[in-house]
Amino acid sequence: ETGVTQSPTHLIKTRGQQVTLRCSSQSGHNTVSWYQQALGQGPQFIFQYYREEENGRGNFPPRFSGLQFPNYSSELNVNALELDDSALYLCASSPRTGPREQFFGPGTRLTVL
Amino acid sequence: DAKTTQPNSMESNEEEPVHLPCNHSTISGTDYIHWYRQLPSQGPEYVIHGLTSNVNNRMASLAIAEDRKSSTLILHRATLRDAAVYYCISHGSGNTGKLIFGQGTTLQVKP
Repeated sequence: ETGVTQSPTHLIKTRGQQVTLRCSSQSGHNTVSWYQQALGQGPQFIFQYYREEENGRGNFPPRFSGLQFPNYSSELNVNALELDDSALYLCASSPRTGPREQFFGPGTRLTVL
Repeated sequence: DAKTTQPNSMESNEEEPVHLPCNHSTISGTDYIHWYRQLPSQGPEYVIHGLTSNVNNRMASLAIAEDRKSSTLILHRATLRDAAVYYCISHGSGNTGKLIFGQGTTLQVKP
């Protein structure tokens, strides 16, 4: 059974650019959540996708957007990058929504210069 | 989802039990208590969760107070690999699945 995978591992962008991060969910999982983790802080919920529809959103501006594909993999897109967007971006999958165990990937480290 | 409060850091000796406390005084009757841990340079890892009764699994035990206002994660024999940040999360049953992480407890394990 393959776990949650994320790509790329590391990424460096400049302010104002756009970035796309990718996540492959664990086999059989139809729910994907994205989190942002700044250095020294706990992860912060960005949004969740369930069966290709957004199913809840945290306190993040609209320039953070996402997609989920029919195979349940997902993308996180961030437009107009700001310095404060520098963080570890984590993807987590679960077999369905609700208070279930979530399986996290290793994350993508984004640095905005 | 109720706010949780944890100590910033704790220390333990290797092969001794560790009791990690968590306060969640505003928890509602349908909120689950979840514990995750995050090892250095990794994503968070699910440890255990419960609602009312104490729970055991291969990783740890979760002891939930009778009034549910606090809980304790118990690692029966700490190893060096258990050094991590441990997060206690109150997770509502009506919630979409959003996990609200606090600062967590950084556990140091000394050989």
